[in-house]
Amino acid sequence: DTGVSQDPRHKITKRGQNVTFRCDPISEHNRLYWYRQTLGQGPEFLTYFQNEAQLEKSRLLSDRFSAERPKGSFSTLEIQRTEQGDSAMYLCASSPRPETQYFGPGTRLLVL
Amino acid sequence: SQQGEEDPQALSIQEGENATMNCSYKTSINNLQWYRQNSGRGLVHLILIRSNEREKHSGRLRVTLDTSKKSSSLLITASRAADTASYFCATGPNYGGSQGNLIFGKGTKLSVKP
Repeated sequence: DTGVSQDPRHKITKRGQNVTFRCDPISEHNRLYWYRQTLGQGPEFLTYFQNEAQLEKSRLLSDRFSAERPKGSFSTLEIQRTEQGDSAMYLCASSPRPETQYFGPGTRLLVL
Repeated sequence: SQQGEEDPQALSIQEGENATMNCSYKTSINNLQWYRQNSGRGLVHLILIRSNEREKHSGRLRVTLDTSKKSSSLLITASRAADTASYFCATGPNYGGSQGNLIFGKGTKLSVKP
């Protein structure tokens, strides 16, 4: 399968713990995006990479959130000191150019 | 923040019927896209319509765009149980500003009963 993959698919953590999610984009897609989706809502943009450069960050991305794409391939999204409000589906997408984005299956986070 | 609204929020139809979902947006756009999301899964791109296009077809899908009213509609003809999903419209990228993130509406939850 050459689609976007995300790991883990599900994560349950206790409030205050740190969590890290990984996204492997479609190979040769230089653009990578992270979105967050809460129940009953559409995805909301978090951050965007072109190759290894983080070009845009949403105001939703508080200082507890950090994202990296060290070699322009896979990306990680870390949430420090998790809060119950961080419970959501975290979606990763990649694209070779602007416009159509290809989404992974998402990581569902539950903070207890 | 959400760019627009889909209407209706939920739609329940019988297999074989047509389903129409509407999307309104707020700012000028270069293109508008529709995505499908099966329960608890990632999003799948369905169709993209550019701002200079008024109508586009793809299989059983028909999308219209009215930039003067800042609205779009998605028609699924001869619906099947497998079409049961949430449908989102998304606008972007805005080349004048954003680097390419999509701005999604809240979605229409479609249920097709066999």
